[in-house]
Order: sequence, then structure tokens, then C-alpha cells
Amino acid sequence: EADIYQTPRYLVIGTGKKITLECSQTMGHDKMYWYQQDPGMELHLIHYSYGVNSTEKGDLSSESTVSRIRTEHFPLTLESARPSHTSQYLCASSALSGSDYNEQFFGPGTRLTVL
Amino acid sequence: GENVEQHPSTLSVQEGDSAVIKCTYSDSASNYFPWYKQELGKRPQLIIDIRSNVGEKKDQRIAVTLNKTAKHFSLHITETQPEDSAVYFCAASKGSNYQLIWGAGTKLIIKP
Repeated sequence: EADIYQTPRYLVIGTGKKITLECSQTMGHDKMYWYQQDPGMELHLIHYSYGVNSTEKGDLSSESTVSRIRTEHFPLTLESARPSHTSQYLCASSALSGSDYNEQFFGPGTRLTVL
Repeated sequence: GENVEQHPSTLSVQEGDSAVIKCTYSDSASNYFPWYKQELGKRPQLIIDIRSNVGEKKDQRIAVTLNKTAKHFSLHITETQPEDSAVYFCAASKGSNYQLIWGAGTKLIIKP
């Protein structure tokens, strides 16, 4: 079944640790996104990609980095986690077709707690 | 750049009544306006969208209206039910080469 997968779903780590949040999609989509969201609050775009080897920073300043080596895979890395990074991270994807905007499909999210 | 404002931040209505959530946008070039629903603990999901070449779109109990002159669009939910309780997000975009600009969200509470 076509879907977006995120691992881990929950993560508790100590300050200063390096972590990678995984996101993969079997939707066949070109565009992928990472959002940061405190539960029920505003969605903040932190990174996006239009395809392989394409990555851009979003509106929210972040100490994270992303890579897009394969179409279906878009991991997010925090080099040194801090308590301010505690939040939920949502991965999303959408098709890229001409000039029309297409629906974004979201993954289930990773809830990160940094102690 | 584009800015999307969403009101109210919280809306409480009696079950069976109607609910209206409003968004305004700043960039007149925006031409796509989706609404997403996020239930507690779940991922956001698209419920309805409208493009700038139409003024209204309906899907059962949900409708969206667009006023391009005033640069605002609204979500209307009629005959509200408990399962309508969620956070609703509006967004705007100028096209597939541009990002979605999101509103801050409205928490809709349906009172029994």
C-alpha cells in the first residue's frame, strides 16, 4: 500500500547527541518536506526537496540537515540535539506535475524529546 | 512574501450547528487554497481545496468559499458532529514551484 513511513515514532535522547530521523515514501512522489510541529500547533516548514540531489531550507531556522540521494528517502539529521529541538517532526510528500499544486500526504510523525 | 492569517484560533460550537473558519492571504498571485484536518494524535489530511478560478466548492457537509478581491477564503462545516473535532489548517500557494504557506490553525470543539 502506498504510504509515508517515519522511524522512529518516539525518541528520547540526551543533549549533544547526533540523531537521524528517517522518512521514506512509496507514493512515487518527487517532492518531499519536513515540518516541525508542537502538538496541535502551527506547521513550520524546515526543509524541502523537489527531487534527487535537490534540497532547500524552509522558513524555520533549524540546525538540522537533510539529504535526498534516492527519490523515496529523505532523512533529517540533527548534529547536536538540544532541549529546544523537543517537538514533533512530520515528513510529507507530494507529486510534481506541471503548474498544478498537488495534495501533500503526511507521515505519522516522530515525537522527539531532548533531555 | 505570502502571509496567511487564520481566525479564530479556537472555535466551540454545539453539535448540529454550523462552524466557519476564515483565512486571509496577502499575495494576490496565490491561486490554490487547501484545507487540512488534523485529529488528535493523527497526521494532517486534506479535506477540501479550491483553485482561484472558482468561488465555491462543496463536498457533503463541507464547503469552501473564495473571495479573490478581498483575498480571503473560508471553510464552512454544516450539521457538525463529534468527529469534526480537530485542528483545521488553511494554506495558500502560487503554484507547484512555490511552497504552501500555512495558517496557524483553528481548534474546533464540538460540544455534545
